[in-house]
Amino acid sequence: QKEVEQNSGPLSVPEGAIASLNCTYSDRGSQSFFWYRQYSGKSPELIMFIYSNGDKEDGRFTAQLNKASQYVSLLIRDSQPSDSATYLCAASTGGYQKVTFGIGTKLQVIP
Amino acid sequence: ETGVTQTPRHLVMGMTNKKSLKCEQHLGHNAMYWYKQSAKKPLELMFVYNFKEQTENNSVPSRFSPECPNSSHLFLHLHTLQPEDSALYLCASSQSGLAFFGQGTRLTVV
Repeated sequence: QKEVEQNSGPLSVPEGAIASLNCTYSDRGSQSFFWYRQYSGKSPELIMFIYSNGDKEDGRFTAQLNKASQYVSLLIRDSQPSDSATYLCAASTGGYQKVTFGIGTKLQVIP
Repeated sequence: ETGVTQTPRHLVMGMTNKKSLKCEQHLGHNAMYWYKQSAKKPLELMFVYNFKEQTENNSVPSRFSPECPNSSHLFLHLHTLQPEDSALYLCASSQSGLAFFGQGTRLTVV
């Protein structure tokens, strides 16, 4: 059973702080990793993807991948109340094959 | 505008009804998916189509019947559903593993 594990939260951080969201995956064949943001009542929106070990930065977001530990994380710097949402971690074996999602971590940024 | 459009956005149906969900993607992707999202559960993959061919059926009950007439359109035909089928049904399309979702259909079975 291929699984992606996330703590469902909620994770509460004060405005301006760094939010750290973590995810582990069970399938060592996974090659691609994704972070989606889902606002309440809305569909998931892709915000980051990472394929290689190390860090990938995009604005206030940094995705980190450690394949040896089967661990993926998302850092959000200078957190804003508008970042409050559920963040879904996902892993794929690549190509068009199915993407396996975690349950999502609910993030609350407190003004 | 996400490039993936789903209709209807909301649907209430009785257990004896037959209805269909529609998905259209304008992104030129080759793969399309149906997902089910229930409260407090991970997204559940239901069906995968690649170049109009079904490549995955994740043990979905036969009361859900997908149809993919071309690479841009995907349908989910529903009949004799159960109350536990009430959920958000999401369509997605992808290229190289990057999946883009439609806005979803909120389905309530009464």
